[in-house]
Amino acid sequence: AQRVTQPEKLLSVFKGAPVELKCNYSYSGSPELFWYVQYSRQRLQLLLRHISRESIKGFTADLNKGETSFHLKKPFAQEEDSAMYYCALSRGHYNTDKLIFGTGTRLQVFP
Amino acid sequence: DGGITQSPKYLFRKEGQNVTLSCEQNLNHDAMYWYRQDPGQGLRLIYYSQIVNDFQKGDIAEGYSVSREKKESFPLTVTSAQKNPTAFYLCASSIHGEQFFGPGTRLTVL
Repeated sequence: AQRVTQPEKLLSVFKGAPVELKCNYSYSGSPELFWYVQYSRQRLQLLLRHISRESIKGFTADLNKGETSFHLKKPFAQEEDSAMYYCALSRGHYNTDKLIFGTGTRLQVFP
Repeated sequence: DGGITQSPKYLFRKEGQNVTLSCEQNLNHDAMYWYRQDPGQGLRLIYYSQIVNDFQKGDIAEGYSVSREKKESFPLTVTSAQKNPTAFYLCASSIHGEQFFGPGTRLTVL
């Protein structure tokens, strides 16, 4: 069965420290992986997806098929990064396929 | 102003009553989704629709029903059969693999 695991419920760091939010998945095919973010009082929104290979707001994530991981990283955390982060998996059929979400990790960045 | 709207923002109902949550989008997206968000459990898919007049059950469809009579609208009915309906409900639509979410409706059963 497809599953997305985010082992950390809460991650607390100080401003300027590196951040890594972990995400592991189980899927036998070729998945598409996403990171969604929910800032306080805002809607859930896409942060990045592995096929675009972009860096958004300083965050990057590399799909590691050998380790079935898609960890989200940022070298220097900012206070405005504080939010709830969800890793999600799609079977790659775009538009009409559902996402499987992890349970989320709350990132707290202290000044 | 384009996007997804959900109404109402807060909803209270008594046990045994059915209630319908509204979701409207003007993004011209074919696919729409309903999720339930509970603390510590992330988002769980209730129902989804790939096209008008068609929908499929998600992972936790029991006690819920939907309709998709128009491309723009995908209402969710929480029936009295849903054993634990108090939750935050999110609607989304998608295109090219990216899902766009509404602001959510918080349902409380009294």
